Amino acid sequence: EAGVAQSPRYKIIEKRQSVAFWCNPISGHATLYWYQQILGQGPKLLIQFQNNGVVDDSQLPKDRFSAERLKGVDSTLKIQPAKLEDSAVYLCASSLILGSSGNTIYFGEGSWLTVV
Amino acid sequence: AQTVTQSQPEMSVQEAETVTLSCTYDTSESDYYLFWYKQPPSRQMILVIRQEAYKQQNATENRFSVNFQKAAKSFSLKISDSQLGDAAMYFCAVRGGSQGNLIFGKGTKLSVKP
Repeated sequence: EAGVAQSPRYKIIEKRQSVAFWCNPISGHATLYWYQQILGQGPKLLIQFQNNGVVDDSQLPKDRFSAERLKGVDSTLKIQPAKLEDSAVYLCASSLILGSSGNTIYFGEGSWLTVV
Repeated sequence: AQTVTQSQPEMSVQEAETVTLSCTYDTSESDYYLFWYKQPPSRQMILVIRQEAYKQQNATENRFSVNFQKAAKSFSLKISDSQLGDAAMYFCAVRGGSQGNLIFGKGTKLSVKP
């Protein structure tokens, strides 16, 4: 079974530039998550989708971050304009269905962003 | 709100020895699950073990086991016969409620000495 796929793995951009990350979840997984992990901290949820609908985006900085999952499968996370404090690993994850906390959440390898 | 606290930023263990990583949590959910994830330098989060809060029996996966104390809201991870490949960051996480988001602690960096 293929895992969660993410690209690009590494990205270096200057502040005020834009960047986009792509994620393809495990086949059949309806729930997709984007987490931000700053160095030395645990991952923090940015946004959670159920199919193509947003379940929780309360911690997404909407003035600069956006995310979409148009067809309920793959997803894109965009940052525009980037700030120095956005330097982090962006982890995409997926799980089977919402409403069942026992379902395991599977993570991709992450996209490393450095803003200079 | 749910919170997870890992009080040990770093731990060290000798190869083949046993080490215990601590975790305490707080949640208002009656139905919740607890997880330990391993994160090697590649940064991919790998599930180590999970525990259903309604089960009294502690979960075990090969060399990994947990000590789940529900009343104390404690969920420690024991690694037996430590191997060099166990060196990584370990994150404790809780998941509960209808939305099922994972809440992570700050992690414990485990070093394994040969």
